[in-house]
Amino acid sequence: DAGVTQSPTHLIKTRGQQVTLRCSPKSGHDTVSWYQQALGQGPQFIFQYYEEEERQRGNFPDRFSGHQFPNYSSELNVNALLLGDSALYLCASSHTSFQGSPLHFGNGTRLTVT
Amino acid sequence: AQTVTQSQPEMSVQEAETVTLSCTYDTSESDYYLFWYKQPPSRQMILVIRQEAYKQQNATENRFSVNFQKAAKSFSLKISDSQLGDAAMYFCALPSETYQLIWGAGTKLIIKP
Repeated sequence: DAGVTQSPTHLIKTRGQQVTLRCSPKSGHDTVSWYQQALGQGPQFIFQYYEEEERQRGNFPDRFSGHQFPNYSSELNVNALLLGDSALYLCASSHTSFQGSPLHFGNGTRLTVT
Repeated sequence: AQTVTQSQPEMSVQEAETVTLSCTYDTSESDYYLFWYKQPPSRQMILVIRQEAYKQQNATENRFSVNFQKAAKSFSLKISDSQLGDAAMYFCALPSETYQLIWGAGTKLIIKP
């Protein structure tokens, strides 16, 4: 049973560029959430996708956008990259949206913006 | 607003000893869940234990147990018989009204051999 997979593992981009991160949820999960984790801090919620729609969004600018596909996989897009976007981006999946449903995380994508 | 506070940036414990990590939170909900996750150097966030607020009994998962004090809004994690593989960042988390997780700042656990 494959868990949550994220690609790529590492990424280096230049300021102003655009980046796309990918996530495949755990088998049987239909909800995907994205988090940004700065070094030495807890994750910050970016947004959540369910049934191919953005259901919840955290306090992130419109430069951050996403998509969920019919197979439940998801993409996170960041436009006009800033140095402050350098972070670990975590994808988490869960089954539907139930408060007690534990999130299953991937290994993350380390994004470095130079 | 819901908040989660972990006041211990770093803790260290001798291998085979017991350590307790602290977490306090604030919520206006009466029924909710609380989670502890660990994040080893491999970066993957792994669920350690989950507590349902309406249950009086503290959750236990093998060497991991919680001390849940609902009135005090405290949710500490006890690790018994610490092992080298327990070294990681530990995060306390609380679901918001919209079910996204609110995270503490984390506690770095160091295991001394």
